[in-house]
Amino acid sequence: NAGVTQTPKFQVLKTGQSMTLQCAQDMNHEYMSWYRQDPGMGLRLIHYSVGAGITDQGEVPNGYNVSRSTTEDFPLRLLSAAPSQTSVYFCASSYRTAGDEQYFGPGTRLTVT
Amino acid sequence: AQSVSQHNHHVILSEAASLELGCNYSYGGTVNLFWYVQYPGQHLQLLLKYFSGDPLVKGIKGFEAEFIKSKFSFNLRKPSVQWSDTAEYFCAVKEASGYSTLTFGKGTMLLVSP
Repeated sequence: NAGVTQTPKFQVLKTGQSMTLQCAQDMNHEYMSWYRQDPGMGLRLIHYSVGAGITDQGEVPNGYNVSRSTTEDFPLRLLSAAPSQTSVYFCASSYRTAGDEQYFGPGTRLTVT
Repeated sequence: AQSVSQHNHHVILSEAASLELGCNYSYGGTVNLFWYVQYPGQHLQLLLKYFSGDPLVKGIKGFEAEFIKSKFSFNLRKPSVQWSDTAEYFCAVKEASGYSTLTFGKGTMLLVSP
């Protein structure tokens, strides 16, 4: 199993550009989530999904969009990038709920200039 | 909504020293508690978790944590740290019921000097 994969590993965007961060898992997990990690702030939940076709907002959803058309994939879209979105983004998946062991991807380091 | 507080942002220890990292949460109901670890250049991974039962839980690599309900605490301990324990440690809490989400603390960076 590849586990949780994320692409790209690094990305530089200009303010106002849009892009999609990809996340995929091959463990048939129902629960998937996106976090951002900023120095001194820990991990903050952006969006999550409890299954295909079901998504919900986390703590910091503004400026981000998600969809879950398949069990495997959970892309995160930045609609119009802002410097405040410079961060490291982690995707995670677990069997059914947030209480199950979270399996994290390697992260995407995003810089918005 | 619950919040999680980790008392130390940075901890520096020498090898063989004992470790205790503090974690307090704010939610008054039943919770599930976790410690995750991020070693340099690696994915976050689960260290240990508490759902119910014995409040002293053991995890991987010799780590343990004690849940003290009256203090809303879930402190992480290790009797003797190694250089390889250098990592960032995150406490996390989830309301025990249903599809509530996981809330992470801000993390504690542990540096163990050889």
